[in-house]
Amino acid sequence: EDQVTQSPEALRLQEGESSSLNCSYTVSGLRGLFWYRQDPGKGPEFLFTLYSAGEEKEKERLKATLTKKESFLHITAPKPEDSATYLCAVQAGTSGSRLTFGEGTQLTVNP
Amino acid sequence: NAGVTQTPKFRVLKTGQSMTLLCAQDMNHEYMYWYRQDPGMGLRLIHYSVGEGTTAKGEVPDGYNVSRLKKQNFLLGLESAAPSQTSVYFCASRRLAGVGSADTQYFGPGTRLTVL
Repeated sequence: EDQVTQSPEALRLQEGESSSLNCSYTVSGLRGLFWYRQDPGKGPEFLFTLYSAGEEKEKERLKATLTKKESFLHITAPKPEDSATYLCAVQAGTSGSRLTFGEGTQLTVNP
Repeated sequence: NAGVTQTPKFRVLKTGQSMTLLCAQDMNHEYMYWYRQDPGMGLRLIHYSVGEGTTAKGEVPDGYNVSRLKKQNFLLGLESAAPSQTSVYFCASRRLAGVGSADTQYFGPGTRLTVL
């Protein structure tokens, strides 16, 4: 059974204080790992797709990396507008078109 | 280009009532999905469709039915609502990916359903 575990559950940072969110996964043949951002009362918004170990992608203050067992979302010099819940999901080779989601990390950035 | 839209945004039902949630996408995507999101449980797949006229069960299908009569629309029905179905429901869609590859699901804004 595919499993995704995100840590920490919640993270509070001061503006400018860099940190990382973790997504550990267990799947049979990873097809892709996805990062989404979700603001309160809204649907998940796509950030990144990573396909193979060693791959990295960046967008503004966010950088996602992937190993064979986990992915990290690095946030450099965060701003209050980066406050959101960050979701990780995997698509496995045996799951057809399904995604398995983690429970998310709720990030709060204080000014 | 509106992306994925959901109707209604909010709804309150009494136990035993029925309703249909509508999802529409204008991206010509083949795949469509219905998820529910509950505190502490993340997003869970209810049903999905890999094309017009086809549907399949996800992780938590009991108490729900779906239909995909048109490529752009995916309907989620609750025949007899129960308090356990109080949740936020999200629809998503994606294009047909190549063999062995993954592709991104794009989500709608959600429907907040309360069953009393």
